[in-house]
Amino acid sequence: DIQLTQSPSSLSASVGDRVTFTCRASQSISRSLNWYQQKPGKAPNLLIFGASSLQSGVPSRFSGSGSGTDFTLTITSLQPDDFATYYCQLSHAFGPGTKVEI
Amino acid sequence: QLQLQESGPGLVKPSETLSLTCTVSGGSISSSGYYWGWVRQPPGKGLEWIGSIDNSRSTYYKPSLKSRVTISADTSKNQFSLRLYSVTAADTAVYFCARDFGNHRIDCWGQGTLVTVSS
Repeated sequence: DIQLTQSPSSLSASVGDRVTFTCRASQSISRSLNWYQQKPGKAPNLLIFGASSLQSGVPSRFSGSGSGTDFTLTITSLQPDDFATYYCQLSHAFGPGTKVEI
Repeated sequence: QLQLQESGPGLVKPSETLSLTCTVSGGSISSSGYYWGWVRQPPGKGLEWIGSIDNSRSTYYKPSLKSRVTISADTSKNQFSLRLYSVTAADTAVYFCARDFGNHRIDCWGQGTLVTVSS
């Protein structure tokens, strides 16, 4: 069974910062990796699918990349609305999340 | 606009069955190419995919939950349901219903409903 790990588990950043999170799979996987953003008390929101495809309606400051076992989500200029927890997902597995705090 | 809404008891006793229903509006669960499923999140913890059903009523379950889960659909009511058997306190979570457009890409979620397992 594939396991996903995310790093860091949390990070502190400021508005305007460029931030990058990593998702690592326990074995080489296809590019069917998805990224979600979740705010407290809300359902997750799909940001990136297929490792690098931007979901409709998601701002272009979000981007995804990677292949094999290592994948990244980048926010080029952090906005106040981006402070949330970010999860990667492959098939039925979710990563443990990265919390972005001010 | 597609909307999903969970409904069901918020409190279930240990060893009993958790039953939730998701009502879909603005779209049909009979549409091909989509999967209708459930994801849960224990308080303060991460997300866990439970399973899904497609328009041909084929079901897909997380292996570790497969023995305790049934997902079914009622196309006449445009609803799909989750049944989780023999629950324990570890099953306490917010349960989300969701639409998956393939490869577990979930593009639409219900608001979530908290189910507590307690006597």
